[in-house]
Amino acid sequence: EVQLVESGGGLVQPGGSLRLSCAASGFTLRSYWMHWVRQAPGKGLVWVSRINGDGSSTYYADSVKGRCTISRDNAKNTLYLQMNSLRAEDTAVYYCARDWTAGGTFRGDYWGQGSLVTVSS
Amino acid sequence: DIQMTQSPSSLSASVGDRVTITCRASQSISTSLNWYQQKPGKAPKLLIYAAFSLQIGVPSRFSGSGSGTDFTLTISSLQPEDFATYYCQQSYITPFTFGGGTKVEIK
Repeated sequence: EVQLVESGGGLVQPGGSLRLSCAASGFTLRSYWMHWVRQAPGKGLVWVSRINGDGSSTYYADSVKGRCTISRDNAKNTLYLQMNSLRAEDTAVYYCARDWTAGGTFRGDYWGQGSLVTVSS
Repeated sequence: DIQMTQSPSSLSASVGDRVTITCRASQSISTSLNWYQQKPGKAPKLLIYAAFSLQIGVPSRFSGSGSGTDFTLTISSLQPEDFATYYCQQSYITPFTFGGGTKVEIK
């Protein structure tokens, strides 16, 4: 059974850092592009970042570019999102999602349960 | 960035009703359009990909159509478990963008 389990969320002060993890099981992580999508409380879905199977290609939304780094450790079956210089507007539930397209064009067929990040003093 | 506009933002319907949700892209995206269903406190679920292809395991009462800039998600006979928020998402070019969502509520 395919499972994605996020962890690492919590309360952080503005300007702080946090690293989210997404543990994958039930499939071969290195064979898939992976994405992060976030959802502010009561708001819609916003795509954040993507990474290819071997980690050599990444892309970020402008809202997080320069402040976030997506990475993966295929040996540990884990995806990461390192978030720095956090702002109040980064407060959201962060989802990792598997992309079953070959080119990373994002069809999210499996999603994690989400990890809440709250940026507040 | 490609802007995705959904309408309506919410609707009330009864079990058995036919429901149609529209999504418009700010530029042509061919058929690079996905639809998701999200229930409160849950992750999104992929329903339709590439504008009209039904994801495995999704009931056939869901269907998608459209190409270019205008797309439609149709639920042929609304069931109790279909009350949720629906999002379109373009997969044509990064950054991948979502519509604002359509909340389907019980009348």
